[in-house]
Amino acid sequence: GENVEQHPSTLSVQEGDSAVIKCTYSDSASNYFPWYKQELGKGPQLIIDIRSNVGEKKDQRIAVTLNKTAKHFSLHITETQPEDSAVYFCAASMIAGNMLTFGGGTRLMVKP
Amino acid sequence: DAGVIQSPRHEVTEMGQEVTLRCKPISGHDYLFWYRQTMMRGLELLIYFNNNVPIDDSGMPEDRFSAKMPNASFSTLKIQPSEPRDSAVYFCATRSNSYEQYFGPGTRLTVT
Repeated sequence: GENVEQHPSTLSVQEGDSAVIKCTYSDSASNYFPWYKQELGKGPQLIIDIRSNVGEKKDQRIAVTLNKTAKHFSLHITETQPEDSAVYFCAASMIAGNMLTFGGGTRLMVKP
Repeated sequence: DAGVIQSPRHEVTEMGQEVTLRCKPISGHDYLFWYRQTMMRGLELLIYFNNNVPIDDSGMPEDRFSAKMPNASFSTLKIQPSEPRDSAVYFCATRSNSYEQYFGPGTRLTVT
C-alpha cells in the first residue's frame, strides 16, 4: 500500500518568512495530493490540492509543487502570519480509490 | 451548509462499555469516511462508504469496531467492548464527486 513521509515534523519561522513542508510517497499510481491544515481542537481543513497532470498550483500565499518522477510534493507558504500556526498534513491517493494516506504532520509555529 | 456534524464531541467511558459515535454528512455528499487520529499512528482511515454501502473496511482494527450507514444522512461507528487503547480522536469526513474530503470536528474518546 501507499506510504507517505513528511518532513520536518516541526518548523518554526519568523512572521513574514516562508515555510516549506516536504512529502514523499511510495505508490507511483497515486495521482491526487491534498494538503490539510489542522488547528487545535478542530478537524483537518483542506487548503489546497494538486493532481498529477499539474506540476504546480498557487492560491494566494500558498503553493504546492509536485515532482512525479521523484515522487515528492511540497507545500510553500509565503509571508507567513501567526494565524498560519497549525499542524499541516500532506496526503496521497489514487483519485478513483478514495483512500487517502496521510503523512505524519508538521507543526508550524510562526513567531510574531 | 453546516458542514459535517459529529456527536458527541467528547466521550469518556469505562473499559468494556459500548461506545457509539455519530456522523451527519454534508447534504449531497455520497462518500463518507471514518478516520482515527492518535499521536502514535497519526490519521488512519478505518472504513468508507459510497452511497451508504461499505466499500473498504480494511482499516478497521478488529471485530470490536463496526460501522453502519443506514441512510444518506447518518452513519455510526460503534466500539464494543471499548478498551483504553481505543482512546483517540475519531473523525468523519465526506466528499462529493469533486474528490475533496471535508472533515467534521471530531469526537475525542477517552476510555478509562
